[in-house]
Formats: sequence, C-alpha cells, structure tokens
Amino acid sequence: GAVVSQHPSWVICKSGTSVKIECRSLDFQATTMFWYRQFPKQSLMLMATSNEGSKATYEQGVEKDKFLINHASLTLSTLTVTSAHPEDSSFYICSATASSSGNTIYFGEGSWLTVV
Amino acid sequence: GENVEQHPSTLSVQEGDSAVIKCTYSDSASNYFPWYKQELGKRPQLIIDIRSNVGEKKDQRIAVTLNKTAKHFSLHITETQPEDSAVYFCAAGFSGTASKLTFGTGTRLQVTL
Repeated sequence: GAVVSQHPSWVICKSGTSVKIECRSLDFQATTMFWYRQFPKQSLMLMATSNEGSKATYEQGVEKDKFLINHASLTLSTLTVTSAHPEDSSFYICSATASSSGNTIYFGEGSWLTVV
Repeated sequence: GENVEQHPSTLSVQEGDSAVIKCTYSDSASNYFPWYKQELGKRPQLIIDIRSNVGEKKDQRIAVTLNKTAKHFSLHITETQPEDSAVYFCAAGFSGTASKLTFGTGTRLQVTL
C-alpha cells in the first residue's frame, strides 16, 4: 500500500537554530499534505496544509514565518522550524491522501524534535 | 471550523469486557470519521472508519456507529485484550483527495487482566 515517510525520526537542536523535517510520499503523488503537531499526552493538532506549487495554508495561531513549509514536488513537503525554542519541542507528523487507494489517509512515522 | 470532542479521557476495563468511546463533532458537512490507535511515539494507526452514508460498520471485535442527526459517533471494542491498551483518537473530516482531519482529545484505554 501507499507509504508516507518522514525524516528524521528524531532530532535535537540548539535554541535559535533551524531544523528541517521532510515528508515524502513514496509510491504516490500528493498535491496536498498536512502537518500536525502533537505535544506529549495531547492530541494531534493540524498546523498547516501544504500545497504543491503554492503557499501553505496555516491554521489559526500557527506562525507561518516560524514554521516554513515548502512543497516543491508532488512527493515531497518540508517543514522547517526556524529559530527553534524549547517550547517547539514536540512530535511532528505529516499525512497525505492516496487517491489510488480510495483516498486513504497515510501518516508519516513522525519526527521527534527536542530543542535544548 | 470543525470541533471534535471525545469522552472519556481515560478508560479502564477488564480483559474480555467491552469498551466504548464516544465523540461528537460540530461541522455537519464532515463526511468521514476515522478512528486511530496510537502507541507512544508512533504514528496513528487506522483501526476503522466510517463515512456519512452508513450508520454502522464492523470489523471483527471493532465497530463504529454514526448518528449524523446528533453529530456523534462511537467506537465499540468487544472482548478486549491487553494488547488493545493504547490511546485512541477519533477524527472528523472530509473524504477526498485532500483530507485534513480534526482530532478528538484522545482516550487512554487500559485493559487489565
């Protein structure tokens, strides 16, 4: 079946630096991908909709200049956390829909970000 | 936007008993309602889903019911086993090529021996 892959699985970065997380659809094309954030013991919260070839759509309260999203191809979306702070430490996970599989939603493995 | 509420937040049942988790949603236009099981630090795993054109769906020990009029849906797990212990999330959204989901707050299910 369709697979969505995320990289890296976990990353530690220093405060003030930037970190990039990749989300790839391995065997299908995804014009739209979604980025979620999940704090410990909490639910998944939608951050933004990543649109291939155009600007991302951000949910209310999510800073677009801090969480840069680039969807340059039909199989890759990237999320860059800029000027990271400890409060950005979270589990980031992407999803994509495979129309070839009856519009099934596939999630990436998730990426643990720890900002120290 | 969509708002999904989920209850209870924690649920403890004895092995073999049934577990029921309930969710309500606010957007009557939502037509897709999946349920996910999530282990700590892992991606959500789809366990069952239902679309708005049906009222009930069953897959072995797991069933989901949907009441569109009342805008609520429920997950039913029968004959629970210790390996069912996990956090369960309901979600609501639109079925299509770009499906974003609004998740409930989660239910931590503990199945005790």
